[in-house]
Amino acid sequence: AQSVSQHNHHVILSEAASLELGCNYSYGGTVNLFWYVQYPGQHLQLLLKYFSGDPLVKGIKGFEAEFIKSKFSFNLRKPSVQWSDTAEYFCAVPVSGNTGKLIFGQGTTLQVKP
Amino acid sequence: DVKVTQSSRYLVKRTGEKVFLECVQDMDHENMFWYRQDPGLGLRLIYFSYDVKMKEKGDIPEGYSVSREKKERFSLILESASTNQTSMYLCASESPGQGPNGYTFGSGTRLTVV
Repeated sequence: AQSVSQHNHHVILSEAASLELGCNYSYGGTVNLFWYVQYPGQHLQLLLKYFSGDPLVKGIKGFEAEFIKSKFSFNLRKPSVQWSDTAEYFCAVPVSGNTGKLIFGQGTTLQVKP
Repeated sequence: DVKVTQSSRYLVKRTGEKVFLECVQDMDHENMFWYRQDPGLGLRLIYFSYDVKMKEKGDIPEGYSVSREKKERFSLILESASTNQTSMYLCASESPGQGPNGYTFGSGTRLTVV
């Protein structure tokens, strides 16, 4: 069965530090990958997505993610975090053979210290 | 701006009560989903619907049912609330046909069962 694993559950960084959040998925045919973000008190929103083409995907607020097929990974990165990036981050993949359902990882809570 | 609206932000119910969580979207989306979000577990799919009067079980349907009488409204029903159903409930919608576009989420309903 399709699965998604996020390695880091709680990350604490100082402002201006670089960020990389891990996401690994189990292979299930065509790969589409998503990162969602939930800022404190706000609804989940799409950060970026990968469908095909360039494996380096750029999203909102300076985030990017790289799809590495050989490693089944889709890690989220940001060169320099800000206090406003404090949030919970979720990686997600569609259920194989079904374009509607998404499977989410456990989530990573990022705390950025000013 | 497109929206997914959940009727209540916070709810407190007693054990054994029948609970209705309402979700309305104004984007004419066919697909709608109910997830619950728990710390360390990420988002888990309860039920989803691809069309009016159509529903399918997700990964954790026990203790829940759903209703979709109109395209824009997808209701989650807790038949007899229990304390282990205390959680954040998230509704999402998505438009199929162009590959997975990612979800639009509501703000969530934090349900406490006492």
